[in-house]
Amino acid sequence: AQKITQTQPGMFVQEKEAVTLDCTYDTSDPSYGLFWYKQPSSGEMIFLIYQGSYDQQNATEGRYSLNFQKARKSANLVISASQLGDSAMYFCAMREDNYGQNFVFGPGTRLSVLP
Amino acid sequence: EPEVTQTPSHQVTQMGQEVILRCVPISNHLYFYWYRQILGQKVEFLVSFYNNEISEKSEIFDDQFSVERPDGSNFTLKIRSTKLEDSAMYFCASSPEIRNVGTANTEAFFGQGTRLTVV
Repeated sequence: AQKITQTQPGMFVQEKEAVTLDCTYDTSDPSYGLFWYKQPSSGEMIFLIYQGSYDQQNATEGRYSLNFQKARKSANLVISASQLGDSAMYFCAMREDNYGQNFVFGPGTRLSVLP
Repeated sequence: EPEVTQTPSHQVTQMGQEVILRCVPISNHLYFYWYRQILGQKVEFLVSFYNNEISEKSEIFDDQFSVERPDGSNFTLKIRSTKLEDSAMYFCASSPEIRNVGTANTEAFFGQGTRLTVV
């Protein structure tokens, strides 16, 4: 079964607007971490933001924030004030304490920022 | 800032040949990973390595694949007899160990990747 689901294969957003990229996950482990990575066309994987399952508050890192809804098992990435350089693939990933501390990735969402 | 380095950045090999992809993880990290990404597709887990042995491996990681940490700094992925479908970007990653990933950021630090092309 898919552990990480990203239902939006592609998204478009106008420059300077906010965009939400969806991520839902499946785990029975009470201790897990959720991560978002950005992959520009050059191919490298860039860490953006982390949310721990025990965190009481939603994570924020600059223009990135995570809308963490634990009961719904969702961890959506919100990018505010989109920039052209935000155009990339975005991957949601999860790491569980009881699963060998491996990272499992979702299929990704390709974000295109329009001028 | 410490980083994971991978060599080569691009490798072209003939089908049936052996290839070794090399990685230098971040020195104080304890977990090491290989992932692959077929062009434009999802990032697939291959293997994780901890305490000098494989801790997890996926169905992709069959007998044609092996990993080694030969000298305490390098971490290598060997494909014994490459197939056309092995063509992909291969990422090495490392991360610190934490007993409770729900409370502390233990992101995976990725290398730049090795693009393997099997012809």
